[in-house]
Amino acid sequence: GAGVSQSPSNKVTEKGKDVELRCDPISGHTALYWYRQSLGQGLEFLIYFQGNSAPDKSGLPSDRFSAERTGGSVSTLTIQRTQQEDSAVYLCASSSQVNYGYTFGSGTRLTVV
Amino acid sequence: AQSVAQPEDQVNVAEGNPLTVKCTYSVSGNPYLFWYVQYPNRGLQFLLKYITGDNLVKGSYGFEAEFNKSQTSFHLKKPSALVSDSALYFCAVNPGGSYIPTFGRGTSLIVHP
Repeated sequence: GAGVSQSPSNKVTEKGKDVELRCDPISGHTALYWYRQSLGQGLEFLIYFQGNSAPDKSGLPSDRFSAERTGGSVSTLTIQRTQQEDSAVYLCASSSQVNYGYTFGSGTRLTVV
Repeated sequence: AQSVAQPEDQVNVAEGNPLTVKCTYSVSGNPYLFWYVQYPNRGLQFLLKYITGDNLVKGSYGFEAEFNKSQTSFHLKKPSALVSDSALYFCAVNPGGSYIPTFGRGTSLIVHP
């Protein structure tokens, strides 16, 4: 596609439920990132995928968070047993090369009630 | 570890006046530096980057930034602000060879008519 697509754009879920957030990167971009943006905070790195290499998961805040990237394209971020502190905007970005900059999606606004 | 500081949460400027949004960084090695802009309910949009070469970098929408190695700064500037420039601006850095950028907390730019 022309840009990075994220779905859903908004998600309201009950505490304790699992959620899946989807990211469809720009075709041909080998690098894919997930970030979390909380109110008044900067962007918090979560996870990085590069091609077929093992992902860098160093930013995942707990073992309730996981992500996968199928076929080097679409990625899904899963949050299990959601907590209220998980409420944030989850942003996905892709890149062809690190020094070319990153293209971000519009994000998924997650609200845990 | 790399870090980015945006010392101002908010910058106010009158339309037509010059604007500056400040960014300082700390990295090991040579930095790759980026500025992004985020409009309400949108993802981040790439404005400009510094990788190497001329310290003054020109980007989208008339913005420019100056890399100052001695002061470890990469301030964003525009000679004449527009009301439509009002948005959230993020500075990001990753050292050459690293693939995970670190973002600042963002600066809200408000341009008054």
